[in-house]
Amino acid sequence: GDSVTQTEGLVTLTKGLPVMLNCTYQTTYSPFLFWYVQHLNEAPKLLLKSSTDNKRTEHQGFYATLHKSSSSFHLQKSSVQLSDSALYFCALSPGGYKVVFGSGTRLLVSP
Amino acid sequence: NSKVIQTPRYLVKGQGQKAKMRCIPEKGHPVVFWYQQNKNNEFKFLINFQNQEVLQQIDMTEKRFSAECPSNSPCSLEIQSSEAGDSALYLCASSLQGKMETLYFGSGTRLTVL
Repeated sequence: GDSVTQTEGLVTLTKGLPVMLNCTYQTTYSPFLFWYVQHLNEAPKLLLKSSTDNKRTEHQGFYATLHKSSSSFHLQKSSVQLSDSALYFCALSPGGYKVVFGSGTRLLVSP
Repeated sequence: NSKVIQTPRYLVKGQGQKAKMRCIPEKGHPVVFWYQQNKNNEFKFLINFQNQEVLQQIDMTEKRFSAECPSNSPCSLEIQSSEAGDSALYLCASSLQGKMETLYFGSGTRLTVL
C-alpha cells in the first residue's frame, strides 16, 4: 500500500548548521509530496509541496526535490534558526482524497 | 492564524463517556479530514467528507466513532464510549477538491480519557 517513511525521529543541531530531513515513499500512483511543519501547540501547516520530478521547490529557506527514481523528497535548509525547532511531517497524496503522513521528525535547534 | 476552527481546545472524559468535538472548515473548502495524532505525534486517518458525504473511513471509525458534516453547521466527531487509548490530539483539516490540494489544519482538540 501507500506509505511514507521518515527515518529520523529526532534531529538536534546548532543554529547556523545545515539540515536534511529524510523522506521516502511507496506508491503505485503518480505521487504528490508535501512537507508540513507543526510548531509547539500550533496547527500543522504546509511548508512546501511538489509533484514534478527533479525540480527543486523552495519556501522560507527550506527546499526539497522530488526524485521519483529513488522515491524520495528530502527536506533541506542551508542554515537552521532557533525558530525552525518544530515537528516536520512528510506526506503523500497518491490519488483521490487520500493523504498519508510519515511518522514525523522533531528538529531541535540550539543556540 | 488557522482559519479552520476546532472546539473545544481541551476535552476531558471518563471511560465510557461520550466525547464530541467540532470543526468549522475554511470557507469554500468542501473536503474535510479528521486525523488522530497520538502521543508519538503519529497521524492516524479517521474519516473524510466531501460536503456532507463520507468519502473514506477506517474500521475504528465505523464502530465507536461517528462523524458528520451537515450543511450550514460545523462538522463533528463523536466517540460513543471513550477508552483510555482514545486520548490524543484530534485534528481537523479542510481542503479544496483534488489530489494536489493543501490540507489546512485546525489547532486540534486534545482529548484526555481518564
